[in-house]
Amino acid sequence: QSVLTQPPSASGTPGQRVAISCSGSSSNIGIHIVNWYQQLPGTAPKLLIYRNNQRPSGVPDRFSGSKSGTSASLAISGLQSEDEADYYCAAWDDSLDGVIFGGGTKLTVL
Amino acid sequence: EVQLVESGGGLVQPGGSLRLSCAASGFTFSDYWMHWVRQVPGKGLVWVSHINSDGRTTRYADSVKGRFTISRDNAKNTLYLQMNSLRAEDTAVYSCVRDREYPYNWFDPWGQGTLVTVSS
Repeated sequence: QSVLTQPPSASGTPGQRVAISCSGSSSNIGIHIVNWYQQLPGTAPKLLIYRNNQRPSGVPDRFSGSKSGTSASLAISGLQSEDEADYYCAAWDDSLDGVIFGGGTKLTVL
Repeated sequence: EVQLVESGGGLVQPGGSLRLSCAASGFTFSDYWMHWVRQVPGKGLVWVSHINSDGRTTRYADSVKGRFTISRDNAKNTLYLQMNSLRAEDTAVYSCVRDREYPYNWFDPWGQGTLVTVSS
């Protein structure tokens, strides 16, 4: 069981906006930044959002991240079929003294 | 092009050992902290270990502490993971990742990974 809690699945139709939550605690998200990764089927994960809400070059501005207290959220607007992937949040955890990942959310574009 | 290429995976019996390598190119390897992350096929990501830029500071997940050793050779631009006393639950794809900005731990890029299978 992951220390960061994500919904196992999410879905939306093309053009819709979806949000994926990531719930943590005072030893991780509460005091450390959150990063998000996208893993397309059969490929290695890719950095999607860093430092809570920053997009690496090449990532469309349809993707946005936010953090409040001990939770974080990834929002995808204007959903496209190529967004169908697994999404993971991650943060450092002081209690475990290591990086922790959420369990992952499988996004389906209907 | 920034690239990480892992090698050394394979089939090993429980209790056995394996050494993974990760060849880095396209960036100044000695400037960055590096990590190993593993993923059981079809399951989630799990952090394994990290090492600082000069190799003097390391940390491990509790599940591998005392059995795995991370190291690096900055002259060869290579990261290693020595895995001893392997267990069935260590079966996974192991990927090396670059830490773009320690201590913020944002990982970019990821290697394609090397599969380790622990089975008799």
